[in-house]
Amino acid sequence: AQSVTQLGSHVSVSEGALVLLRCNYSSSVPPYLFWYVQYPNQGLQLLLKYTTGATLVKGINGFEAEFKKSETSFHLTKPSAHMSDAAEYFCAVSDYSDYKLSFGAGTTVTVRA
Amino acid sequence: DGGITQSPKYLFRKEGQNVTLSCEQNLNHDAMYWYRQDPGQGLRLIYYSQIVNDFQKGDIAEGYSVSREKKESFPLTVTSAQKNPTAFYLCASSIDLGSVKEQFFGPGTRLTVL
Repeated sequence: AQSVTQLGSHVSVSEGALVLLRCNYSSSVPPYLFWYVQYPNQGLQLLLKYTTGATLVKGINGFEAEFKKSETSFHLTKPSAHMSDAAEYFCAVSDYSDYKLSFGAGTTVTVRA
Repeated sequence: DGGITQSPKYLFRKEGQNVTLSCEQNLNHDAMYWYRQDPGQGLRLIYYSQIVNDFQKGDIAEGYSVSREKKESFPLTVTSAQKNPTAFYLCASSIDLGSVKEQFFGPGTRLTVL
């Protein structure tokens, strides 16, 4: 079974600063990778996904992530944080043979004015 | 608009009672899923269904039951056997098992046991 590790349960950034959320997975073959965002008391919304092809993936709201096979990582970044980015972010992974997603524990982002 | 609806948004239950959470989708998706979310633990899979009249246990199925009589609907029953049912429950669906397994999520139901 896949496992996903999100380093840091809480990240605090200043408005306008870089947002960096870390995600590492365990897999012997390149999986499908996802980042989701969750606002309080709401469901999850897909930010971006990696399937095949270009390893730098651009998503909604100015976020992007880079798949690095050698590091088994899929870190999420945004160059300039906005107050509306305050939310919880989840990294998820599935492999080719399994239709289930394995989620990380989540990282809560707070944005300071 | 296509999407997933869950009801109710908030649900209160007395100990020893069974409760059923509703999940409906009009996305024409084949697969549906139920997750439980607890603070600091991410999402854990309870049950999933690939097709009508078929479903499989996920990682934490004990104390829960489901049915899949219609493609659009995948209700979850939290039984009295579930020892710690207070949590946020999320329903999701995906279009096809053979393709990228992007899942779409409903808004969730927050269950509190009194």
